[in-house]
Amino acid sequence: DAGVIQSPRHEVTEMGQEVTLRCKPISGHDSLFWYRQTMMRGLELLIYFNNNVPIDDSGMPEDRFSAKMPNASFSTLKIQPSEPRDSAVYFCASTAGQWTEAFFGQGTRLTVV
Amino acid sequence: AQSVTQPDIHITVSEGASLELRCNYSYGATPYLFWYVQSPGQGLQLLLKYFSGDTLVQGIKGFEAEFKRSQSSFNLRKPSVHWSDAAEYFCAVGMNSGYSTLTFGKGTMLLVSP
Repeated sequence: DAGVIQSPRHEVTEMGQEVTLRCKPISGHDSLFWYRQTMMRGLELLIYFNNNVPIDDSGMPEDRFSAKMPNASFSTLKIQPSEPRDSAVYFCASTAGQWTEAFFGQGTRLTVV
Repeated sequence: AQSVTQPDIHITVSEGASLELRCNYSYGATPYLFWYVQSPGQGLQLLLKYFSGDTLVQGIKGFEAEFKRSQSSFNLRKPSVHWSDAAEYFCAVGMNSGYSTLTFGKGTMLLVSP
């Protein structure tokens, strides 16, 4: 398996624009997690899904953030409208069952100017 | 709520020297504990984990960690550091109920000098 695949790797956008980050989890994994990494706050869990169903989105910072998982092989994290403080590296991770190893994608580095 | 403290932001170790990275956690019950490594521009890779049993756990790349309940610690060690170990290291704690969600420390950047 190619591992967790995120796209794009880098995104530069202007404030106010919509941004969509994409994630393909490892085939057969049943849980998917979105994390955000910043210098100030470190790694924070934004939202996670189990069997395509959102379980907890309490980490989503604002209503400008939304996430979907329409099927077992694809998830999106959308920011609309984007703001400079959203600049961060966004990671997607997946697991195959409870407390098995979480495999992380390489992340999407988002810069909002 | 659980929390993780990694008191050292940066550590510099000479190649061949031993390494210990500190991690303290706060959690009301027996935690699940993890160490991850992140190389520049890369995602996180699991080094080792502790769920129960033997408090000294072995991981990949020659790393080990020891769970000390009395000190709420889970320090990472390696007897001899290689230049390729230079990276950022994250300690994480998970609740022993519910899904596999992790709370991460802020990380420790390891620099290896010749």
